[in-house]
Amino acid sequence: DAKTTQPNSMESNEEEPVHLPCNHSTISGTDYIHWYRQLPSQGPEYVIHGLTSNVNNRMASLAIAEDRKSSTLILHRATLRDAAVYYCIRSGNTPLVFGKGTRLSVIA
Amino acid sequence: DAGITQSPRYKITETGRQVTLMCHQTWSHSYMFWYRQDLGHGLRLIYYSAAADITDKGEVPDGYVVSRSKTENFPLTLESATRSQTSVYFCASGERGLAGFNEQYFGPGTRLTVT
Repeated sequence: DAKTTQPNSMESNEEEPVHLPCNHSTISGTDYIHWYRQLPSQGPEYVIHGLTSNVNNRMASLAIAEDRKSSTLILHRATLRDAAVYYCIRSGNTPLVFGKGTRLSVIA
Repeated sequence: DAGITQSPRYKITETGRQVTLMCHQTWSHSYMFWYRQDLGHGLRLIYYSAAADITDKGEVPDGYVVSRSKTENFPLTLESATRSQTSVYFCASGERGLAGFNEQYFGPGTRLTVT
């Protein structure tokens, strides 16, 4: 049970921002939100994680709703290399549970 | 080279044979994990280990055995391979901190086919 809900697929044009939504309505107060992505034929790679505040790093931004029941991963300028499956994971003291994620297609 | 490596990268074996997948990490991470990924599915946790000689079951442990005699190695053994174990196997390592399980680093995967 991944305990998060994501759209199966999304599409974006190259060089435009992408907002990937995730619903985690049953999240507990101590669970963090993690995002990983998996490029074709590779293992998953860490993208970003956060608890309550919005977070930014060189790869992406994470916007967490005030009630923490949802979050959005923001890729500011999609490139062809960003085409991947993106996983939203809520995690406390148990190992990460991956759902099916969102398959992002980037159109040139 | 620093990182996490898996061997072999590709393996074909027959039903009923024993096969061991190797995983080696150079970061000295406490935690190591084994996941399997079937076509069209997300990753499912098989086993994980918090330290040498400490292992725990994940979501789908049946048919698998793990050991961790050294921090850097975490082999996964299929004692009697079945066709349903045909999958891509990913090893990962990481630490545990305030955020629960911190950033995990994944290996390149082993594609196993059981005929």
